[in-house]
Parts: sequence; structure tokens; C-alpha cells
Amino acid sequence: DAMVIQNPRYQVTQFGKPVTLSCSQTLNHNVMYWYQQKSSQAPKLLFHYYDKDFNNEADTPDNFQSRRPNTSFCFLDIRSPGLGDAAMYLCATSRDLTYEQYFGPGTRLTVT
Amino acid sequence: GENVEQHPSTLSVQEGDSAVIKCTYSDSASNYFPWYKQELGKRPQLIIDIRSNVGEKKDQRIAVTLNKTAKHFSLHITETQPEDSAVYFCAAKGRYGNKLVFGAGTILRVKS
Repeated sequence: DAMVIQNPRYQVTQFGKPVTLSCSQTLNHNVMYWYQQKSSQAPKLLFHYYDKDFNNEADTPDNFQSRRPNTSFCFLDIRSPGLGDAAMYLCATSRDLTYEQYFGPGTRLTVT
Repeated sequence: GENVEQHPSTLSVQEGDSAVIKCTYSDSASNYFPWYKQELGKRPQLIIDIRSNVGEKKDQRIAVTLNKTAKHFSLHITETQPEDSAVYFCAAKGRYGNKLVFGAGTILRVKS
């Protein structure tokens, strides 16, 4: 029944070691989003894909990249994680830009 | 760009009482206003949303009101229960924008 799936749920990486987080959806939604959420804060949009079109937020660091090889999957790559990148990473999808967003369970990233 | 302010930051109510959370937004072109509930360590879940062509929407114990002139919208929870305890986020989306802008969140505690 899970509609937006994120793997892994918990990820530990070392400072500077590249890490990839995965999101998949069974909703066939056009839009997929990646958010970063730090403790006690609101989710912060990093970027989104509308189909294959990538839209980066102006304040998203270059350290964060994304790939969407097909409709169902989207990846978040952190090239050189720093201690400040420890957070919950949430994937969300929506049918279109004007429709409601559905969030996945998140991946909690720890950087040691 | 859009800016969303949310008040209060924390709210404690007695079980059975009502809870009201208020948000203001800056972009008069915003036309979509969802509310998300996030329990500790879990995903944000959409609980209710409203579009700018509607002034009020209700779903059982939850209602949202929108005042476009004043640019504010509110979440009302009646007959609160302990399971309503969570962080609640409001958000706004502009007519021409691609992203949701979130408020800072309200920690709601329902005391039994």
C-alpha cells in the first residue's frame, strides 16, 4: 500500500563520503520533490523534477544533486556530506504542480 | 517571494477543548493552502487543504478558514484528543510558483 517509498530509512555516512538516497512512487505522479528537514524545523525544498525537467532551488548547495531515471524513481546524491547535512530527507510527489503533495517516510541521515 | 508566518509555536490544550493555529502569507497570488500533521519521526501527512476560491472547509473535527483580504488562514481542531498531539505545519503555494512555502510549525500538546 505504500505509495511513496524511501530507502534506506536510516543512513549513516562518514564526513566527505558520497551518499545516495532513494525514493520511489507507485502513484505515477509527474512531480517528485526532495526536502531537507532539520530537527524542529519546517521542510526545506531542495529541488524538484517535473517529469524530466529539473528545478533547483536558488539556495540549494552544489553538494546536493538529483537524478530521475524514470517516472517512478528519484535519487538524492550528496557528493561530500558535511556535519551540517545531517537531517531527515523527505521525498514527496504530486500529480501536477497544482495538486497536493504526498510525502514519503523520510531517510534520516547521520554524518560521522 | 512568499513568506508564511505561523502562530503559536507551541500550544497546549486540555482534551476535549478546541485548538486554533493561525498562519499569514505575504503573496496575494497564493492560491493553495495545505495543512500537514507530523508526528515525531514520521512523515508530514496532509490533513486538510483549501484553495483560494473557498472560504472554509471542514472534515469531521478539522476545519480550515481562509481570509484572502487579510491574507491569513487558520486550522481549527475541535474536541481534541491525545492522538492529535503532533507538529502542525501550514503552507502556501503561489499561483505561478512551483513550491510550497511552509510555516515554522506549531507543537500541539493535548493533555488528558
